[in-house]
Amino acid sequence: IQLTQSPSSLSASVGDSVTLTCRASQGISTYLAWYQQRPGKAPKLLIYGASTLQSGVPSRFSGSGSGTDFTLSISSLQPEDFATYYCQVLNSYRTFGPGTKVEVK
Amino acid sequence: QITLKESGPTVVKPTETLTLTCTFSGFSLNTSPEGVGWIRQTPGKALEWLVLIYWDDDKRYSSSLRSRLNITKDTSKKQVVLSMTNMDPADTGTYFCVRSGWSETLTGYFFDHWGQGTLVTVSS
Repeated sequence: IQLTQSPSSLSASVGDSVTLTCRASQGISTYLAWYQQRPGKAPKLLIYGASTLQSGVPSRFSGSGSGTDFTLSISSLQPEDFATYYCQVLNSYRTFGPGTKVEVK
Repeated sequence: QITLKESGPTVVKPTETLTLTCTFSGFSLNTSPEGVGWIRQTPGKALEWLVLIYWDDDKRYSSSLRSRLNITKDTSKKQVVLSMTNMDPADTGTYFCVRSGWSETLTGYFFDHWGQGTLVTVSS
């Protein structure tokens, strides 16, 4: 199963709402996770099961989708949210997508 | 508080075997369904899951790298060791130790705690 993410990068401002997309090459039900990686840091789990927020993650993050199309939404971007976001399929392959970089406009 | 920390060489030569150690705290790796694994991040392939070992010594390997990987655990020392044979410059990257997370319906497929990572360069 291959994952594609779009856009590969986007520019936004603090306070903006953004939506990132992850598409699977075949249906994966809701077996998807999202991670955030800030520069020079390890990735951080945000969401698993497509929409379940990991403990401690701010509620401005939300995930949705099933089958092949998934979205990660961030409402009211904060300075610490400028990072790269990866999706990952939750099956025996544990494949990651190529990432979407959210940059400051 | 759960922590994981990677240690090992920063440079290895082509064809050599890489050995990395993950020292963890805050959990035991003796209890179902705990697992610890390795993920790497290379310039060419972004994030790539490599291997996972569970509390009961069950092991899961990336199909593309299975022949080169081995993973062991020593729960008394709270350590997990990754071995990767026949290293190549394409294996240059940051290697992360991770703990696998679980929920009612998903176990061992996502990663809820990560080490800081260790940069490994393959060069002669």
